[in-house]
Amino acid sequence: NAGVTQTPKFQVLKTGQSMTLQCAQDMNHNSMYWYRQDPGMGLRLIYYSASEGTTDKGEVPNGYNVSRLNKREFSLRLESAAPSQTSVYFCASSGQLGRRSTDTQYFGPGTRLTVL
Amino acid sequence: AQTVTQSQPEMSVQEAETVTLSCTYDTSESNYYLFWYKQPPSRQMILVIRQEAYKQQNATENRFSVNFQKAAKSFSLKISDSQLGDTAMYFCAFMKVPGNTGKLIFGQGTTLQVKP
Repeated sequence: NAGVTQTPKFQVLKTGQSMTLQCAQDMNHNSMYWYRQDPGMGLRLIYYSASEGTTDKGEVPNGYNVSRLNKREFSLRLESAAPSQTSVYFCASSGQLGRRSTDTQYFGPGTRLTVL
Repeated sequence: AQTVTQSQPEMSVQEAETVTLSCTYDTSESNYYLFWYKQPPSRQMILVIRQEAYKQQNATENRFSVNFQKAAKSFSLKISDSQLGDTAMYFCAFMKVPGNTGKLIFGQGTTLQVKP
């Protein structure tokens, strides 16, 4: 049981390049999230998907797009990377856990992205 | 809008001693959850403890306990018998209910160093 996995772990881009961050969870969770963490700050929500087939903007959505490919996978795309998007990106999921409903979010290991 | 404030950027404690991390929040919601997450140098976000606002009893998880003061909007974390492995950044976070909207709001974090 791997929990929440993210690929890649590290990435360096040039300004204007595009890339997709991948996230998958094997906990049968309904909801998935993308956050970014900048130095000295807590995490900020970029986008979330409350259930398969739905996505909504979070606090800092500009410059990003997402796709909820299926119940397990939720990807984050940067169409034209900018230096301001240099950050650590975390994916998380939440949902039913056994017989106990929980809204606790469980996080992946993060992706460190640098945009030059 | 909800906000979460952690007023202690850095703290240190001797191994085996007790330390308390502070967190205050601002909300007009009556039903919500509060969390403490730990982020060690590995960057992994690890759930430490969770408190439901409707519960008067303070949550405990082994050496970790909270002091939840709903009227004062205060949610502090006490770590007893501190261990070297507790060295990490600790984030306080707020989520209104229902939780599948992804509105997990983080504080700025407190860096805790446990000294041998």
